[in-house]
Amino acid sequence: GAVVSQHPSWVICKSGTSVKIECRSLDFQATTMFWYRQFPKQSLMLMATSNEGSKATYEQGVEKDKFLINHASLTLSTLTVTSAHPEDSSFYICSATGTGPGYTFGSGTRLTVV
Amino acid sequence: AQSVTQPDIHITVSEGASLELRCNYSYGATPYLFWYVQSPGQGLQLLLKYFSGDTLVQGIKGFEAEFKRSQSSFNLRKPSVHWSDAAEYFCAVGGDPYGGSQGNLIFGKGTKLSVKP
Repeated sequence: GAVVSQHPSWVICKSGTSVKIECRSLDFQATTMFWYRQFPKQSLMLMATSNEGSKATYEQGVEKDKFLINHASLTLSTLTVTSAHPEDSSFYICSATGTGPGYTFGSGTRLTVV
Repeated sequence: AQSVTQPDIHITVSEGASLELRCNYSYGATPYLFWYVQSPGQGLQLLLKYFSGDTLVQGIKGFEAEFKRSQSSFNLRKPSVHWSDAAEYFCAVGGDPYGGSQGNLIFGKGTKLSVKP
């Protein structure tokens, strides 16, 4: 079946630094990648949608300059949290759709900013 | 507006008892429905999904769900709960995953399941 590999699974970084999260579709072409965020004890909220080769579309309230999304190829999308602060600590998860069955999720990345 | 409602924030059941988690949705097109489970600190695991056909779908770990279009519901059930089922459960709705306009999933707020010994 379709697999999306997400790395890293967890990361701790210092406040002010940047962190990059990768999502790769292993056996299908991901024409669209969705990035979600989950605060503790809350549901998943869509942050942005990226189509391969295009600029990402951000949901209202999500800072595009802070959460940089790159989807340069059909198998790789990255989310970079720039100048991270403790309030950015969260669980980030990607989902890919494309030539495979839709709604294939990565395993998530737990980001802790100290 | 498109939305998913899980009316129960927290449910506690005894081990061996039956379970039903409620999910209602509002969606403007043909809904494609999912149930995911999430253990603390872990990612999402797909339990089951409904795309079309038989409205009673079987999933992993002994779970099943029934799609009722007239009630806009997709409730999750399990006849006998195990202690390892304690987790957070999310219902989600989206559009045709094989269609040309595949969109994102809309998630409910989740139901936390606790299991008493």
